[in-house]
Amino acid sequence: QVQLVQSGAEVRKPGASVKVSCKASGYAFTDYYIHWVRQAPGQGLEWMGWINPNNGGTTYARKFQGSVTMTRDTSITTAYMEVNRLRSDDTAVYFCARDYYGLGSYAPYWGQGTLVTVSS
Amino acid sequence: DIVMTQSPDSLAVSLGERATINCKSSQSILYNSNNKNYLVWYQQKPGQPPKLLIYWASTRESGVPDRFSGSGSGTNFTLTISSLQAEDVAVYYCQQYYTAPCTFGQGTKLEIK
Repeated sequence: QVQLVQSGAEVRKPGASVKVSCKASGYAFTDYYIHWVRQAPGQGLEWMGWINPNNGGTTYARKFQGSVTMTRDTSITTAYMEVNRLRSDDTAVYFCARDYYGLGSYAPYWGQGTLVTVSS
Repeated sequence: DIVMTQSPDSLAVSLGERATINCKSSQSILYNSNNKNYLVWYQQKPGQPPKLLIYWASTRESGVPDRFSGSGSGTNFTLTISSLQAEDVAVYYCQQYYTAPCTFGQGTKLEIK
């Protein structure tokens, strides 16, 4: 069965960086895009972008261009999402999710979420 | 970017009654070549990731109770819960996947009256 297991909660100071991992299993990792979505405390869902694990190609929402980097390591079937120059309003739960058809559609499979807290 | 707007922001419905949530996109998300609307509905409960309920605007995901249904086309969509159960208390989101960025609606909080 499809499983996405994310890394644990992180605390960072403003200006620092954080890298969240998403370990995939139960399917062919390189065949399906991975989406990243975040949710600030008490707020709604915000789509950040996706990565094509086959070639590393990425698409970012405009808001995250320049501050977020999505990568992957196919040898360990893991996707990563790094946020640079953290601000307090980057405090959120970050989710990874697997695309259904593979090349950019909806995402029925989600990780458990990773809480990133940015505080001085 | 396509803007998704849900209404209402919150909703209180009695057990066994119908709940209706609306979602409007700022441009059509109907792909003419396959006549499919690129819209999903998610349910999210506290402390959990979103759960997929409906895709292609009206196709129920496997295992989702048939009291949940989706309808609409083009720019206007509706999620209907025909007979509200206690376990349906949650926040519901629509999302378009017609084009990146795959934008979400702001969410609708559903409670029991």
